[in-house]
Amino acid sequence: DIVLTQSPALAVSLGQKTTMSCKTSQNVDNFGKSYIHWYQQKPGEQPKLLIYFASNLASQVPARFSGSGSERDFTLTINPVEADDVATYYCQQGWEFPLTFGSGTKLEIK
Amino acid sequence: EVQLVESGGGLVQTGRSLKLSCAASGFSFSDYHMTWVRQAPKKGLEWVATITYDGDRAYYRDSVKGRFTISRDNAKTTLYLQMDSLRFEDTATYYCAMGLTGSPHWGQGTLVTVSS
Repeated sequence: DIVLTQSPALAVSLGQKTTMSCKTSQNVDNFGKSYIHWYQQKPGEQPKLLIYFASNLASQVPARFSGSGSERDFTLTINPVEADDVATYYCQQGWEFPLTFGSGTKLEIK
Repeated sequence: EVQLVESGGGLVQTGRSLKLSCAASGFSFSDYHMTWVRQAPKKGLEWVATITYDGDRAYYRDSVKGRFTISRDNAKTTLYLQMDSLRFEDTATYYCAMGLTGSPHWGQGTLVTVSS
């Protein structure tokens, strides 16, 4: 199984830039496409897609969010951070079954 | 507008069965693979099963293989998850999602609690 590793928590000041990482146990690229997606989940809510295929902004997601990376190393950036961004962020690989998620990074405001 | 509405969750004893449903609307259901993802209380997201658009193929995580069955009725635009031989560790909120991965559309979830 492909293991996705995320840092458990992050604290950032409002208005600042933050990055969170997702490292995969194997390469998830194919023909120039990275099979990594990012979700935001707030307590009591379903996950919300932020970024698909590593760097594509999902519909109606603010441009403060961006994604980058390739092969085994991926990053979600929020710039600037707003109070509404307090949530847990998950990466997911869609390269092979079983589909797997990272354990999530909980974003808090300092 | 795409809508996915799960139902069928509840409290069930270990070893018993439960069948979840996900009613879909607002898109061409028969054109999309569909997926179940679950989340145990205070835990992360866990993929459960995926079924192809035509229902011909299904994929499962190892821990549910042989106990869970994903199916669909394209005429009724409904996705199902039959869960047999339930275990304590199956306790979770179960979400249906449109597509395979990178889905922008998820249901609100239905809670399944397995207890003795």
